[in-house]
Amino acid sequence: GEKVEQHESTLSVREGDSAVINCTYTDTASSYFPWYKQEAGKSLHFVIDIRSNVDRKQSQRLIVLLDKKAKRFSLHITATQPEDSAIYFCAASTGYQNFYFGKGTSLTVIP
Amino acid sequence: GPKVLQIPSHQIIDMGQMVTLNCDPVSNHLYFYWYKQILGQQMEFLVNFYNGKVMEKSKLFKDQFSVERPDGSYFTLKIQPTALEDSAVYFCASSLAGSQNTLYFGAGTRLSVL
Repeated sequence: GEKVEQHESTLSVREGDSAVINCTYTDTASSYFPWYKQEAGKSLHFVIDIRSNVDRKQSQRLIVLLDKKAKRFSLHITATQPEDSAIYFCAASTGYQNFYFGKGTSLTVIP
Repeated sequence: GPKVLQIPSHQIIDMGQMVTLNCDPVSNHLYFYWYKQILGQQMEFLVNFYNGKVMEKSKLFKDQFSVERPDGSYFTLKIQPTALEDSAVYFCASSLAGSQNTLYFGAGTRLSVL
């Protein structure tokens, strides 16, 4: 089955800098790549996604890049703010029933 | 936005007892999922459910686990009997049209097996 590796388990950046979280996947059939944010003690909520028919998507300060050849996708958070501090999970789906999650990256934005 | 409700938020039980975790998914969603999270880290897929049937389950979905959604009511995860290693936070999620659509997560049920 699909395996999603999330490379950074922790990441610290200064407020205003950019943060980049990288994920790789194994199944070439994966075609949908969402990102979720989990704040301390809370549930996951959706932040942004990208589908395999594009290689870049932006929503305000969030940019997702997809490199299908390398089976790699990344989340870029620009102009970070303290409220961006959370655990971020990447996921991949082949479009059948299941989502496979990475292990999560704990992002700390230092004021 | 759409909300998935999970009841209870915390459940403490003795090893060997039965527990039922309840999930009220988003009203028009058709696909339902359970995930297990230990120590605030890895989200481990357990099972997904569509049209009254289990579509896919992982190795973590042991024989002691079962899911159902009788008559469109709660989507439930039952563990019988529970084991110490079942202690975790269990998240329910739902989506409108399977895994090409956004998953909406509940707040989780923290299960403590003593």
